[in-house]
Amino acid sequence: QITLKESGPTLVKPTQTLTLTCTFSGFSLSSSGVGVGWIRQPPGKALEWLALMYWNDDKRYSPSLKSRLTITKDTSKNQVVLTMTNMDPVDTATYYCAQTPYGSGSYSYWGQGTLVTVSS
Amino acid sequence: DIQMTQSPSTLSASVGDRVTITCRASQSISSWLAWYQQKPGKAPKLLIYKASSLESGVPPRFSGSGSGTEFTLTISNLQPDDFATYYCQQYNSYSTFGQGTKVEIK
Repeated sequence: QITLKESGPTLVKPTQTLTLTCTFSGFSLSSSGVGVGWIRQPPGKALEWLALMYWNDDKRYSPSLKSRLTITKDTSKNQVVLTMTNMDPVDTATYYCAQTPYGSGSYSYWGQGTLVTVSS
Repeated sequence: DIQMTQSPSTLSASVGDRVTITCRASQSISSWLAWYQQKPGKAPKLLIYKASSLESGVPPRFSGSGSGTEFTLTISNLQPDDFATYYCQQYNSYSTFGQGTKVEIK
């Protein structure tokens, strides 16, 4: 059974750096083709793709947010970490991590999401 | 960046109806398109990948078609559980989601 779960702060101040951890089970990020991505959704708005980490350490970032994002993995801990710098109130959203099998880019398994509020 | 435009934004339908949602890409994405269903407070659920492949466990009343820049999601015989918001996602170049289509009860 594949599961993913996001963890991190629920409240961050403007200009701070957000660090979110995705802890997963039921698959290995060392298996060929597998990837773990991050997607966010502001309250009442659409989904926005952020970043993707592949099994081979290849990384992809949203062009509009690339300068603020870093994605890393710890295969031994079954974790993928996303950091986003210079947080702003417009970054308030539910952040999801999700798994894409076979390098496809469509996400078959999702975490429950974690709401991050940016406010002073 | 590839932009994804869904239409309509809202769709009113009745149980048993056949509904169609359209997604247009700003440039060709071949068949690298997925469709998701999302209910309030829940994570999205993958329905269709590679434009027309049905994800395991998804009822066959859901179908997808298209290639290049124009795609459709069709729900035949709409069921009460299908009232939700639907998103398309391209993954040809990085990834982009559409703005969503809410299917509501007529």
